[in-house]
Amino acid sequence: DVKVTQSSRYLVKRTGEKVFLECVQDMDHENMFWYRQDPGLGLRLIYFSYDVKMKEKGDIPEGYSVSREKKERFSLILESASTNQTSMYLCASSRNNEKLFFGSGTQLSVL
Amino acid sequence: RKEVEQDPGPFNVPEGATVAFNCTYSNSASQSFFWYRQDCRKEPKLLMSVYSSGNEDGRFTAQLNRASQYISLLIRDSKLSDSATYLCVLRDYKLSFGAGTTVTVRA
Repeated sequence: DVKVTQSSRYLVKRTGEKVFLECVQDMDHENMFWYRQDPGLGLRLIYFSYDVKMKEKGDIPEGYSVSREKKERFSLILESASTNQTSMYLCASSRNNEKLFFGSGTQLSVL
Repeated sequence: RKEVEQDPGPFNVPEGATVAFNCTYSNSASQSFFWYRQDCRKEPKLLMSVYSSGNEDGRFTAQLNRASQYISLLIRDSKLSDSATYLCVLRDYKLSFGAGTTVTVRA
């Protein structure tokens, strides 16, 4: 069974801190995605990657960056966390044009 | 206008009832359509794909209307375990998610 693992289930950070959210998948999927989910807004795509060292901006990339140095790992970076980045962050992976497999999410609170 | 719009609900229905809801989309170039299910505090999981001719998976029926740009999901003989949020998802070069429709099935 596919496993997408996010490093933390809950995270509390202070405004201005640099935050790293890690995601690892074990099924050799080409595609990896970072979403955030907020009440009433659904899932919004932050960044995605179709291959190692490749990245594409999603719908809301401002304030975020990503890194994909290895196929199995896709990291989301908040360079300087702000309170409006408090959210549930979901990582997902897939083969091309196939269904998404999600990690269990990281609930980030920025104080 | 949002790319994908859903009635947030909640739809509160008794066990055994039929419940149906729609999702409208604005991008006519959308190629593929899906319903995902998300339980409270859990990650979304694929429920079913939606095909042009309509398709069933047990008690679940999905329909696509390209002319009017909406997809629908119908749940027959509702079970308590059907209580969840149902996310409408579209694919063109990326996946776009609706905000979800919450269904609560009561005993």
